[in-house]
Amino acid sequence: EVQLVESGGNLVQPGGSLRLSCAASGFTVSTNYMSWVRQAPGKGLEWVSIIYTGGTTYYADSVKGRFTISRDNSKNTLYLQMNRLRGDDTAVYYCAKSLSGWTFDYWGQGTLVTVSS
Amino acid sequence: DIQMTQSPSTLSASVGDRVTITCRASHSISTWLAWYQQKPGKAPKLLIYKASSLESGVPSRFSGSGSGTEFTLTISSLQPDDFATYYCQQYNNYCTFGQGTKLEIK
Repeated sequence: EVQLVESGGNLVQPGGSLRLSCAASGFTVSTNYMSWVRQAPGKGLEWVSIIYTGGTTYYADSVKGRFTISRDNSKNTLYLQMNRLRGDDTAVYYCAKSLSGWTFDYWGQGTLVTVSS
Repeated sequence: DIQMTQSPSTLSASVGDRVTITCRASHSISTWLAWYQQKPGKAPKLLIYKASSLESGVPSRFSGSGSGTEFTLTISSLQPDDFATYYCQQYNNYCTFGQGTKLEIK
């Protein structure tokens, strides 16, 4: 059974950093495209980043240069390193596995990141 | 950037109704369009991909159509479990979601 479990969400001050983790089971992270999608409180979905099987990465303009997506194949885990956090980064962050390309067939339960002083 | 606009933003309907949600893209996206259902406090669930392909395990009362810039999600006969928020997503050029359509019980 495919499972994705996010962790690492927390309250952080503006300008701070946080690393989110997404532990996968039931499939291999390195042989699938994997993404992070976020949802601000009461708002819609916003794609954040994707990592391809070959390691190529892409980012939304809103996070480019501040966030880094990566994976640890030995731990079958996806990461999102978030630096220079801002108030508008406050959201539930979901990791998602791609069905094919950029459609997402399995999602984690989400982890809440709150950026506030 | 490709913008996705859904209509309506809110839809009130009854069990058994046929409902249609529309999604318009600011530029042509061929059929690179997916639909998701999200319930409060839960992760989104993939319903349709490639504009009209039904994801495995999704009931056949859900269907999608369209190409280019205009797309629709149709639920042929609403069931109690279908009241939720629906999002379209383009993946022709990176990824953009629509703002969502909340389907409420009338």
